[in-house]
Amino acid sequence: DTEVTQTPKHLVMGMTNKKSLKCEQHMGHRAMYWYKQKAKKPPELMFVYSYEKLSINESVPSRFSPECPNSSLLNLHLHALQPEDSALYLCASSQGGWADNTGELFFGEGSRLTVL
Amino acid sequence: SQQGEEDPQALSIQEGENATMNCSYKTSINNLQWYRQNSGRGLVHLILIRSNEREKHSGRLRVTLDTSKKSSSLLITASRAADTASYFCATDLNDYKLSFGAGTTVTVRA
Repeated sequence: DTEVTQTPKHLVMGMTNKKSLKCEQHMGHRAMYWYKQKAKKPPELMFVYSYEKLSINESVPSRFSPECPNSSLLNLHLHALQPEDSALYLCASSQGGWADNTGELFFGEGSRLTVL
Repeated sequence: SQQGEEDPQALSIQEGENATMNCSYKTSINNLQWYRQNSGRGLVHLILIRSNEREKHSGRLRVTLDTSKKSSSLLITASRAADTASYFCATDLNDYKLSFGAGTTVTVRA
């Protein structure tokens, strides 16, 4: 199984809602990532978990809250978002831990988020 | 922060032609990677070239790396309609973060 699975594929939420994005991989990868991508822009790193511990937080606003319940799962909890947070949220994983290597990232198909 | 800059921003070619895109970066790297993204989809890893390598091939893809010029190129030979996508270079900064370039949008006309 060489897939990273993200749910939901599409999410529409109001600014007062609380929702979560989910990501799952069963490749035994030890690092998992959240990226944010706006239209016609490159992905921007948000968070990195390595060996289930938060290793990198790229100064992301606290209305985004990551969680790594176990080595296969990564969540992104969303609360009180702004319309400018509308974007494609991509989850990725890599084989080694954060500083073990900078090898290939395996990406999910993304969750398209619209904040009204 | 975005380290890689890609050129051109957009490329339109006829099926069967070759497509070449370039990536320049600013600081020293351990490796450079190329990814493809079909519209609205996730990124797919294409090829990784290490800083001590100069050229690498994978199927119809050829990647070169010139560390003295801090640049890389991706060549897609005999393009197909399915190659229509955005292509991103990604470099690992010395703190192990992968930074993606702005991307090149390739359209292959049938």
